[in-house]
Amino acid sequence: QKEVEQNSGPLSVPEGAIASLNCTYSDRGSQSFFWYRQYSGKSPELIMSIYSNGDKEDGRFTAQLNKASQYVSLLIRDSQPSDSATYLCAPASSGGSYIPTFGRGTSLIVHP
Amino acid sequence: KAGVTQTPRYLIKTRGQQVTLSCSPISGHRSVSWYQQTPGQGLQFLFEYFSETQRNKGNFPGRFSGRQFSNSRSEMNVSTLELGDSALYLCASSSQGAETQYFGPGTRLLVL
Repeated sequence: QKEVEQNSGPLSVPEGAIASLNCTYSDRGSQSFFWYRQYSGKSPELIMSIYSNGDKEDGRFTAQLNKASQYVSLLIRDSQPSDSATYLCAPASSGGSYIPTFGRGTSLIVHP
Repeated sequence: KAGVTQTPRYLIKTRGQQVTLSCSPISGHRSVSWYQQTPGQGLQFLFEYFSETQRNKGNFPGRFSGRQFSNSRSEMNVSTLELGDSALYLCASSSQGAETQYFGPGTRLLVL
């Protein structure tokens, strides 16, 4: 069974700080990852995808993938109260049948 | 492009009844996946349909079924409802299945 682990939080950071969200996974065949953001009462929306080892930056967001350690993270710089949401990590298919597995998500609270 | 739409948005049923939920994907998307989201279990994959065929299936009992029509619209059915089926049911569409998924607003089902 593929496992995706995230700290449920809540992770509380002050406005303007860097928020660091982490995810570990068990399937060594996972090649790429998605980070989704889900506001309370809303559906998940994709904010970042990363397909290779290293860092990928998009505005205030940086995704980091370390396949050797089976670890993926999302950094949010200059955190804003509007970033307060639950962040879900999801590895993409490792080939064969695709059974999406999401982490349970980390709740982020950015306080003014 | 219009986003993913789901109907109905809210539903109240009693135990033993059955329910049918509908999802219309983004125009041109052929893959529709269904998920159940609960506070205790997080986001769990039910099944995926692609070109009217069930391509992947999660670990849910046979009471949960689905289908996809030639226009890519999809329905899921839950028979003999149980209290534990109360959840947010999300559908997501993508062009091929394994890549970026776009979620609909969800149907919130309450079983009494």
